[in-house]
Amino acid sequence: GAVVSQHPSRVICKSGTSVKIECRSLDFQATTMFWYRQFPKQSLMLMATSNEGSKATYEQGVEKDKFLINHASLTLSTLTVTSAHPEDSSFYICSPLPGLSSYEQYFGPGTRLTVT
Amino acid sequence: AQKVTQAQTEISVVEKEDVTLDCVYETRDTTYYLFWYKQPPSGELVFLIRRNSFDEQNEISGRYSWNFQKSTSSFNFTITASQVVDSAVYFCALSEAYYKLSFGAGTTVTVRA
Repeated sequence: GAVVSQHPSRVICKSGTSVKIECRSLDFQATTMFWYRQFPKQSLMLMATSNEGSKATYEQGVEKDKFLINHASLTLSTLTVTSAHPEDSSFYICSPLPGLSSYEQYFGPGTRLTVT
Repeated sequence: AQKVTQAQTEISVVEKEDVTLDCVYETRDTTYYLFWYKQPPSGELVFLIRRNSFDEQNEISGRYSWNFQKSTSSFNFTITASQVVDSAVYFCALSEAYYKLSFGAGTTVTVRA
């Protein structure tokens, strides 16, 4: 299967600071990237969709100024949580899309963010 | 509105028992895809199956089997002869448009030795 990496895998930050999460598709190009969020013991919720070179589209209830998404290349997308607060503590998972004919939906291993 | 419903929050079985996870979905699209994923304690999602709306054939893969019934909008998953390694959270998901996934709430399966 395709390899998707996320960095860091775990991060602890203080309230008010910003955290950047990187997602890389290591063996395919992804024109589209999905970012999901999973709160403890809950399901995954789509946060935003980004296409390479254009602005991300955010789901209802997700603040675009708080969760900055950059999809500058076909193999790298970043999610920056700005001015993080404890309620942003969650598991963030990226999902790059190789193409519309892709059979499997690939996911990164996730980044666990804890804001103290 | 919830598009994917997994009514069972937790299931606990003894090793070698069969376990069936229910998934009911809701969509108005005629073309859609259904998925099952396994999420072990590590957190990484493990792809199990994808089924498109036009393929109602049941599928078996080793100890795993899936029953897709459009008439009842269900896509149930059975683990036969469960093992401790099957302990995980299992998610059913629906994709209606452009690969955006709507996940169910998940079912936590605990298999006791």
